[in-house]
Amino acid sequence: NAGVMQNPRHLVRRRGQEARLRCSPMKGHSHVYWYRQLPEEGLKFMVYLQKENIIDESGMPKERFSAEFPKEGPSILRIQQVVRGDSAAYFCASSPQGRAYEQYFGPGTRLTVT
Amino acid sequence: AQSVTQLDSQVPVFEEAPVELRCNYSSSVSVYLFWYVQYPNQGLQLLLKYLSGSTLVKGINGFEAEFNKSQTSFHLRKPSVHISDTAEYFCAVSEKGGSEKLVFGKGTKLTVNP
Repeated sequence: NAGVMQNPRHLVRRRGQEARLRCSPMKGHSHVYWYRQLPEEGLKFMVYLQKENIIDESGMPKERFSAEFPKEGPSILRIQQVVRGDSAAYFCASSPQGRAYEQYFGPGTRLTVT
Repeated sequence: AQSVTQLDSQVPVFEEAPVELRCNYSSSVSVYLFWYVQYPNQGLQLLLKYLSGSTLVKGINGFEAEFNKSQTSFHLRKPSVHISDTAEYFCAVSEKGGSEKLVFGKGTKLTVNP
């Protein structure tokens, strides 16, 4: 049973470009969460999604960031017009229906903005 | 809103010594409590969780934690550490019956020396 998959593992973008981070949840999991880890900081919640629905986006920056979890395919975290401060590790977690406390994390995508 | 304080940012110990990593939380509602471990350049792995019931929780790799409601603490312990336990450890909480997001502490870097 494959775990949570994220790709790419490393992503380099120039300032002003777009970054697209993908997350495939564990088989049978219908909930996806995105977290961001800045250097020397713990992980901060960004957004919680179920298929075709955003449940909680209280941690998402108001501009340039968006997330989706379509009926088919992976969840996507999109960052438009990246800036240096967006450089971080972005982690996705998934959980089964009814057991949101069981969050399994992917290996992360390390975004570097040059 | 919840918050988590990990009192030590770094803990160096010698191999086979006992270790305790401290975690205190703040919340106006009942919470679930978690400890995760992160090895270099990897995602987070769940060590153990407290949902309800017995306040002493046993996890993987010989770790255990004790929930103390009066002191709002959830300290992680291991009686004898190995070199391979060198990693960063994160304490986290989530609100029972509320948004399922995890709120993390800033982490404790455990270094086990020979």
